[in-house]
Amino acid sequence: AQSVTQLDSQVPVFEEAPVELRCNYSSSVSVYLFWYVQYPNQGLQLLLKYLSGSTLVESINGFEAEFNKSQTSFHLRKPSVHISDTAEYFCAVMAQGGSEKLVFGKGTKLTVNP
Amino acid sequence: DAGITQSPRHKVTETGTPVTLRCHQTENHRYMYWYRQDPGHGLRLIHYSYGVKDTDKGEVSDGYSVSRSKTEDFLLTLESATSSQTSVYFCAINPGITGANVLTFGAGSRLTVL
Repeated sequence: AQSVTQLDSQVPVFEEAPVELRCNYSSSVSVYLFWYVQYPNQGLQLLLKYLSGSTLVESINGFEAEFNKSQTSFHLRKPSVHISDTAEYFCAVMAQGGSEKLVFGKGTKLTVNP
Repeated sequence: DAGITQSPRHKVTETGTPVTLRCHQTENHRYMYWYRQDPGHGLRLIHYSYGVKDTDKGEVSDGYSVSRSKTEDFLLTLESATSSQTSVYFCAINPGITGANVLTFGAGSRLTVL
């Protein structure tokens, strides 16, 4: 079975500061990794994903995440955040060649202050 | 969200009553999921389906049952609702590896059990 640990439940930062949201996973098989974002009072939407190939993946709004197999991590970073990035971010894992079950972490609430 | 709708969006019921939530998709995706979202717990998988009449349990399946008699509909039933089932329920669909296993989520159904 797979599991995900998001190391910080809340991360407050100031606008234009860099941010890192940490995610570690556990799995006995190879995995696909995802970050989803939930803006206040909305549903979830995909931010970025790692399936294979380059270990560094990027989103269209400036976020990036790096898959580190040896450390079983998939941390999310942004060099300069905006007020509009305030949201809850969820890391998720799915086993390759398995049942297509997606397992989520408990989420990290990012608050960007002016 | 486009291609996936949940109903009802809001429901208040009493302990001991049966409740059915409906998820409807127009994308013809093979995989469908039911999650519940609770503060501090992230999203937890209740049940999922990998085809018509093919379903499997998730990590929090006790007290819930599901049915999928046709590709487009996935029903979640609480046979006898309890206060601990007060939550926001999200349905999701997934085309499988041909679609990079990206889940698309519905807008959520907020259930309150008094």
